[in-house]
Amino acid sequence: DTGVSQNPRHKITKRGQNVTFRCDPISEHNRLYWYRQTLGQGPEFLTYFQNEAQLEKSRLLSDRFSAERPKGSFSTLEIQRTEQGDSAMYLCASVLSPKNGGYTFGSGTRLTVV
Amino acid sequence: DAKTTQPTSMDCAEGRAANLPCNHSTISGNEYVYWYRQIHSQGPQYIIHGLKNNETNEMASLIITEDRKSSTLILPHATLRDTAVYYCIVREYNTDKLIFGTGTRLQVFP
Repeated sequence: DTGVSQNPRHKITKRGQNVTFRCDPISEHNRLYWYRQTLGQGPEFLTYFQNEAQLEKSRLLSDRFSAERPKGSFSTLEIQRTEQGDSAMYLCASVLSPKNGGYTFGSGTRLTVV
Repeated sequence: DAKTTQPTSMDCAEGRAANLPCNHSTISGNEYVYWYRQIHSQGPQYIIHGLKNNETNEMASLIITEDRKSSTLILPHATLRDTAVYYCIVREYNTDKLIFGTGTRLQVFP
């Protein structure tokens, strides 16, 4: 169990650029969740996957955001035409079966849009 | 929308028990209560979860009231390393997603 890995840890980008984040969940975990956290707030749900299927997207996820989980393994979150309001910590979590225990979170990717 | 309310901040002396309250009066009968904590710049760390029975593990105890409208997380012997933001969370029934509130900032002092 190597935990949930997120890359990069930090990303600074200019407004209007595209960025992509990667999440590698714990290997046998079927469920994968993406959250966004702004300063002083709790994490907010963005989207989640059951294996490769994306099952729900939050209304927070505008059409500039897209997430994939090819082959049910790692996942990517892409933000197109970044805006300053996209600056936040993006967190990924995985779980084998929600009925059986805790969700494991990664350390997150901190995005700063300048 | 968050389904939990917590005090914004609390203090606790090192070595004493820290009791963190949480209200979740709109929780559904099959929704679990989870507790996580977050130390600055790290991802949330799982502590404990429960449905209606009290739970205990190596980190903490979770006491859920009989009507399930509130719960308390107990750290039995707080240390300085327990200083963190503690989140009381409801796991939504149909999607299993965790709905975070704004959390309680616990400061443990010497």
